[in-house]
Amino acid sequence: EVQLVESGGGLVQPGRSLKLSCVASGFTFSNYGMNWIRQAPGKGLEWVAYISSGSSYIYYAETVKGRFTISRDNAKNTLYLQMTSLRSEDTALYYCARQITGSSGFDYWGQGVMVTVSS
Amino acid sequence: DVVMTQTPVSLSVSLGGQVSISCRSSQSLVHNNGNTYLSWYLQKPGQSPQLLIYKVSNRFSGISDRFSGSGSGTDFTLKISRVEPDDLGVYYCGQGTQYPYTFGAGTKLELK
Repeated sequence: EVQLVESGGGLVQPGRSLKLSCVASGFTFSNYGMNWIRQAPGKGLEWVAYISSGSSYIYYAETVKGRFTISRDNAKNTLYLQMTSLRSEDTALYYCARQITGSSGFDYWGQGVMVTVSS
Repeated sequence: DVVMTQTPVSLSVSLGGQVSISCRSSQSLVHNNGNTYLSWYLQKPGQSPQLLIYKVSNRFSGISDRFSGSGSGTDFTLKISRVEPDDLGVYYCGQGTQYPYTFGAGTKLELK
């Protein structure tokens, strides 16, 4: 069974940093591209970042480019999102999601981890 | 960025009924490789989104054939037939033809 479990969220002050993790199981993690997608409270979905299976290709939403860094450790089956210079508008539930093989889109999602940016 | 416009914003349906949700993109979603990367997701209350349909009309593993996707270019439709209680929630379309990946604002399906 495919499982994605996020952690590392919490309450953080504006301007500070936070690092999210997503541990994958039930599939060969190193074969799949991975994504972070977020959802502000009561709002829709916003794609944040993508990393290819071997980390060769990385893309970011303009809203986080230069502040967030996506990375992965295939030996640890873990996806990361390093978030710096956090703003109140980064407050959201952050999901990690697996890329559909050979396609675009997300076939499995984690349960999400909440990040609240507030003083 | 490709803007995805979903209509309606909300939809009321009777159990056993049929509904259609429209999704239009601001640009053609046909990729250079000939594929069209349009997906549909359902977010049930209190849950993570789940994939229903990918590449316009391909049902994901385990998804009922009551769900069907169609369309081309910039105009796409999700149809749900014989609506069941478990179908209720917010439906999102999303495009992956070009980065950034973008989603529609969602369509809330409720019981009449």
